[in-house]
Amino acid sequence: DTGVSQNPRHKITKRGQNVTFRCDPISEHNRLYWYRQTLGQGPEFLTYFQNEAQLEKSRLLSDRFSAERPKGSFSTLEIQRTEQGDSAMYLCASRPQGETQYFGPGTRLLVL
Amino acid sequence: DQQVKQNSPSLSVQEGRISILNCDYTNSMFDYFLWYKKYPAEGPTFLISISSIKDKNEDGRFTVFLNKSAKHLSLHIVPSQPGDSAVYFCAARGNSGYSTLTFGKGTMLLVSP
Repeated sequence: DTGVSQNPRHKITKRGQNVTFRCDPISEHNRLYWYRQTLGQGPEFLTYFQNEAQLEKSRLLSDRFSAERPKGSFSTLEIQRTEQGDSAMYLCASRPQGETQYFGPGTRLLVL
Repeated sequence: DQQVKQNSPSLSVQEGRISILNCDYTNSMFDYFLWYKKYPAEGPTFLISISSIKDKNEDGRFTVFLNKSAKHLSLHIVPSQPGDSAVYFCAARGNSGYSTLTFGKGTMLLVSP
């Protein structure tokens, strides 16, 4: 399977703990996006990378959130001191030169 | 404020008939529109897209229509099949250069045999 992959698929954590998610984009795609989807809503943009450079961040990305793409390949999204409001599906997408973003299966986070 | 609106949370259609999903947007800077389909516990899957310089794009059973003056687009599925049952998201791209997408809340389509 050469699509976008995300790990883990599910994560349950206690409030206050840190969590880290990983995204492996389609190999030839140098553009990578993170989105968050909560129940009853569409995906909401969090941050964008072109190669290893983080070029855009949404105001949704509070200072507890940090994303990296150290070698321009895989990316990680870390949430520190998780809160119950962080419970959501975290989606990663990658894009080639064209306009279409291809999404991974997502990581579902539940903060207890 | 919701810049991309899908006002119908759900739609039920019989197999073989046409499904029409609607989407309205408010931001005139959007210049590219996409439809994604999403099954439970999976990520969105790209269906079809349209540039703002066109008013129609067709791919098999799927056709997207764009009315720029009304800031409205629609997805037509003909004929509808039970496997089309899913949540459909309309998304719009701004012209910031980074191609971030703004999504609607989705419409759940149920196609019954």
